[in-house]
Amino acid sequence: SYVLTQPPSVSVAPGQTARITCEGDNIGSYSVHWDQQKPGQAPVLVISYDTDRPSGIPERFSGSNSGNTATLTISGVEAGDEADYYCQVWDTYTDSPVVFGGGTKLTVL
Amino acid sequence: QITLRESGPTLVKPTQTLTLTCTFSGFSLTTSGLSVAWIRQPPGKALEWVALIYWDDDKRYSPSLKSRLTITKDTFRNQVVLTMTNMDPVDTGTYYCTHLLGGHNYGLVDFWGQGTLVTVSS
Repeated sequence: SYVLTQPPSVSVAPGQTARITCEGDNIGSYSVHWDQQKPGQAPVLVISYDTDRPSGIPERFSGSNSGNTATLTISGVEAGDEADYYCQVWDTYTDSPVVFGGGTKLTVL
Repeated sequence: QITLRESGPTLVKPTQTLTLTCTFSGFSLTTSGLSVAWIRQPPGKALEWVALIYWDDDKRYSPSLKSRLTITKDTFRNQVVLTMTNMDPVDTGTYYCTHLLGGHNYGLVDFWGQGTLVTVSS
């Protein structure tokens, strides 16, 4: 099955830019989606199809995807952005089509 | 708007069968390109896809759990039911029902239920 690798943690000061990566073999050929999960809550989709922001998601959230790395970028980080972030892809070629990365804990210092 | 709600037991004993029901609104599972997926999350751990059922009743199961799972849908009641046999403490976690947009060749989990915590313990 397809494997997605994320760093366990990323720390950033308020107002700075956070970049969370998701690595996979030729991930640039997949559509990558990103979910935010705050403690005790269900995940919420924040980026779809590499770069699209669902309705209600601040413009501070953006995404990119190329080669073997997809990146979620959060500009002007706020305390409320502290959460776990998961990348997800759809893998047509295996019996496990819904694939998640291991998650990254974003800490706002 | 799309909403999903999970229901079922919060505590099951080892070797018992777990039955979870997802009741949804805001869409119909008769609509081409839609499906419902179950995703679980052990405490403090990552998300793990469990099973999904497509609008055309095609089904997919996690290979590691396949022998223990059954997923069905009731389009009249807008419900999806997941059964998992021979429960073990390692199956403890929050189980999410999700709306999946796409077809057989691509998909996006775009809406999540609130989740239900299932604990497996004697």
